Amino acid sequence: QKEVEQNSGPLSVPEGAIASLNCTYSDRGSQSFFWYRQYSGKSPELIMSIYSNGDKEDGRFTAQLNKASQYVSLLIRDSQPSDSATYLCAVNFRDFGNEKLTFGTGTRLTIIP
Amino acid sequence: GAVVSQHPSWVICKSGTSVKIECRSLDFQATTMFWYRQFPKQSLMLMATSNEGSKATYEQGVEKDKFLINHASLTLSTLTVTSAHPEDSSFYICSAPLAGGGYEQYFGPGTRLTVT
Repeated sequence: QKEVEQNSGPLSVPEGAIASLNCTYSDRGSQSFFWYRQYSGKSPELIMSIYSNGDKEDGRFTAQLNKASQYVSLLIRDSQPSDSATYLCAVNFRDFGNEKLTFGTGTRLTIIP
Repeated sequence: GAVVSQHPSWVICKSGTSVKIECRSLDFQATTMFWYRQFPKQSLMLMATSNEGSKATYEQGVEKDKFLINHASLTLSTLTVTSAHPEDSSFYICSAPLAGGGYEQYFGPGTRLTVT
C-alpha cells in the first residue's frame, strides 16, 4: 500500500508570513514528488516538482526533499490571500509499467489578511 | 504549458442513464491518461489508467463494466458512467503526463456529475 500522509489542517498563516506544509510517504522507491494547489471546486494545479534531495526554489515557493527521511515539504514565502487553498502532496510509483501518483489528503491553508 | 480540457464541465442526469465525459490534451500527445474521482472534502482517488490503443487498467474496487474508458486517439480519452446512480455523483478529473518529463501530471478542469 503506497501511502502519503499530510496534516489536514486547517493551517492559518498571517499575510506576509511563511507557510510551511509537510508530507511523508511510505514507498522508498519513489523518485518524483509534486505539490499541487487546489482551490475549492476546481481541479489541482501543479505548482512544484522535485526529484533530488535538497531544496528547489521557484518564486515564492520552495520545495524540500529528504529521501532518507521520506519527507517532502513546501514553503510559501510572503503568503498572500490568494494562496488560500488546499495543497496536495503527490508521490509517484510505478505500477505495471505506468507511472502513477498517490495523493495525500491535502492540507487546507488559510492566509489571514 | 500542458493544457488538458474536459467536457462537459458539469452534468446532471437521471438515475439509470449513462453519461460520457471527454478528456483532451490540447497541445501535446498523451499515450496515457488517468481518471480520478474526488468526493467532497476528500483527496483524489485514481480510478483507472487509460492507454491509447489498448485496454484501460482499473484500480482495485473500480467496476470496469460501469466505468467504460476508451482512449480513441493520442489526444482523447473518454469515460462513460453507465447506469448511473446517485452514489456516482462526484467530481471526475482526468490528467495526462508529458512524455519525457518527470512524470508531472496535468489535470483537466474536472466534470461535476450529479445523478438524481
